[in-house]
Amino acid sequence: DADVTQTPRNRITKTGKRIMLECSQTKGHDRMYWYRQDPGLGLRLIYYSFDVKDINKGEISDGYSVSRQAQAKFSLSLESAIPNQTALYFCATSDRGLAGTDTQYFGPGTRLTVL
Amino acid sequence: AQSVTQLGSHVSVSEGALVLLRCNYSSSVPPYLFWYVQYPNQGLQLLLKYTSAATLVKGINGFEAEFKKSETSFHLTKPSAHMRDAAEYFCAVSDPSNDYKLSFGAGTTVTVRA
Repeated sequence: DADVTQTPRNRITKTGKRIMLECSQTKGHDRMYWYRQDPGLGLRLIYYSFDVKDINKGEISDGYSVSRQAQAKFSLSLESAIPNQTALYFCATSDRGLAGTDTQYFGPGTRLTVL
Repeated sequence: AQSVTQLGSHVSVSEGALVLLRCNYSSSVPPYLFWYVQYPNQGLQLLLKYTSAATLVKGINGFEAEFKKSETSFHLTKPSAHMRDAAEYFCAVSDPSNDYKLSFGAGTTVTVRA
């Protein structure tokens, strides 16, 4: 079984709809992240959480919100989806370690299309 | 803030040829640097990372990278490409002034010709 799972894997929605992307991990890591990937832009951080009570905005958090329901679960919501949120979304986890050196482990991604 | 520049969005190599992917970083402090690989329809996985130990870092699948402070570079190489190396490769830097969050380059797509 995969260590980091994302549901759904693909989603097509309409402008204005609220949607939620879910991430679960069995690695026992404290830290979790949400990124979006756009062609030619690499990955950009949306939100991150260093533990259940710690949630922080990344570089592109506008239009998104998150919930850390448990150590193992971190959900990303689009309150009112718009077409420029069409992208590939990745969840990642990492363990506490020497600051800055921790390896991030990525889920398989959710391909979101907003019409 | 840290940033990463990957030179070349696409690289095409013949099977058995050298793979060279370029990464330059900007940093006001000694950086931690990473290379991740994304195979088709998969998430990213770590190839290797530089954490201020040896400047020549060996990773998985025969890849290695050399940290050159004077050139602010962390180029990725593999002596002999295999078809399975076809993927997208991302260089990333950890930013100590910003919770050590990763900043990713735009990525380089590698195709391998038979």
